[in-house]
Amino acid sequence: GDSVTQMEGPVTLSEEAFLTINCTYTATGYPSLFWYVQYPGEGLQLLLKATKADDKGSNKGFEATYRKETTSFHLEKGSVQVSDSAVYFCALSDNNDMRFGAGTRLTVKP
Amino acid sequence: EAQVTQNPRYLITVTGKKLTVTCSQNMNHEYMSWYRQDPGLGLRQIYYSMNVEVTDKGDVPEGYKVSRKEKRNFPLILESPSPNQTSLYFCASSDWTSGSNIQYFGAGTRLSVL
Repeated sequence: GDSVTQMEGPVTLSEEAFLTINCTYTATGYPSLFWYVQYPGEGLQLLLKATKADDKGSNKGFEATYRKETTSFHLEKGSVQVSDSAVYFCALSDNNDMRFGAGTRLTVKP
Repeated sequence: EAQVTQNPRYLITVTGKKLTVTCSQNMNHEYMSWYRQDPGLGLRQIYYSMNVEVTDKGDVPEGYKVSRKEKRNFPLILESPSPNQTSLYFCASSDWTSGSNIQYFGAGTRLSVL
């Protein structure tokens, strides 16, 4: 079945550092890909999405490109802030099937 | 304000005592779903519903029941809770028919079964 694998955390960075969180997927069809963010004590909320190959999703300085050839959707941000500290989930949607990665906890220190 | 509301936010109970976690959405979404979140495992789907009176099992349905009598509500029922159901639970909804597949999540219910 479909699945999502993302890099294990936790990830600790200093403010203004570059962020990459790796995500790869396995799917039989042509899924939509997502990054969700979970701030402490809250539910998940959509950060960005991409629906087809080579699409780039972006929001709040975060970016991810749908790479069909490498089945990847890595999350990047050029300069992280303390307020970016959260848990990040990669996810895919393929017809009725929704799959999440295990989550990566990011801590940004001042 | 568009939202998914879960209640209660926190719940401590004992083994075998039936409980219900409520979920309500005000976005007129057809699709609703329940997940549990456990450390290192991410979110795993328990049950989902494509519309009123239509429910299907997710990956970890054992020990849970759901119902979808109205479009806005999707309660999660634990008939006889056990300690391995101690977890953080999330309800979500989405406008599946539009093809967006974006899920909107509630704030979560932290359940402890003693």
